[in-house]
Amino acid sequence: GDSVTQMEGPVTLSEEAFLTINCTYTATGYPSLFWYVQYPGEGLQLLLKATKADDKGSNKGFEATYRKETTSFHLEKGSVQVSDSAVYFCALSEKAAGNKLTFGGGTRVLVKP
Amino acid sequence: EAGVTQFPSHSVIEKGQTVTLRCDPISGHDNLYWYRRVMGKEIKFLLHFVKESKQDESGMPNNRFLAERTGGTYSTLKVQPAELEDSGVYFCASSQDWASEAFFGQGTRLTVV
Repeated sequence: GDSVTQMEGPVTLSEEAFLTINCTYTATGYPSLFWYVQYPGEGLQLLLKATKADDKGSNKGFEATYRKETTSFHLEKGSVQVSDSAVYFCALSEKAAGNKLTFGGGTRVLVKP
Repeated sequence: EAGVTQFPSHSVIEKGQTVTLRCDPISGHDNLYWYRRVMGKEIKFLLHFVKESKQDESGMPNNRFLAERTGGTYSTLKVQPAELEDSGVYFCASSQDWASEAFFGQGTRLTVV
């Protein structure tokens, strides 16, 4: 079955540091890939997505590129802020599976001033 | 426009008791999904409604869990009787159609003691 593996946290960074969260996946078909974010006290929010190979999703300074050859969708941000402190989830969905989401375990990121 | 709303936000119950979680999707969203995150692990799919019909309930852990969506509006997820391993955060999400972005609620944190 489908699965998503992402690096475990917590990841602690200083403000303006570079952030990378690794995500790899296993899927039977051609999935769409997502990054969701959960800020403290809030629900899950879609951060960015990519629907086919070589697509780059971007939002709020975050980027991730759909790499079919390495089955990866790593999340990056060049300069993090304290407000980026949250839990980040990598996920995939497949049309054939009704677009239900398969999530990774989540990575907690803490940005210190 | 109101987002996805879940009630209650927190629930603490004793083992063997019954708990009912409620989800109000975004108005007009035919697709409704339930997920849960147990013990800080990955978020796992429970089931998917299209209007009032169960499209996919492959993620329901056992027959102690019962989900309903009468009239195709709000949904309830009942756990009866609750066990310790049911503790976790239960998320609901809705989307307009199967290809659209799914919007998540804030989740219900269930603690079984």
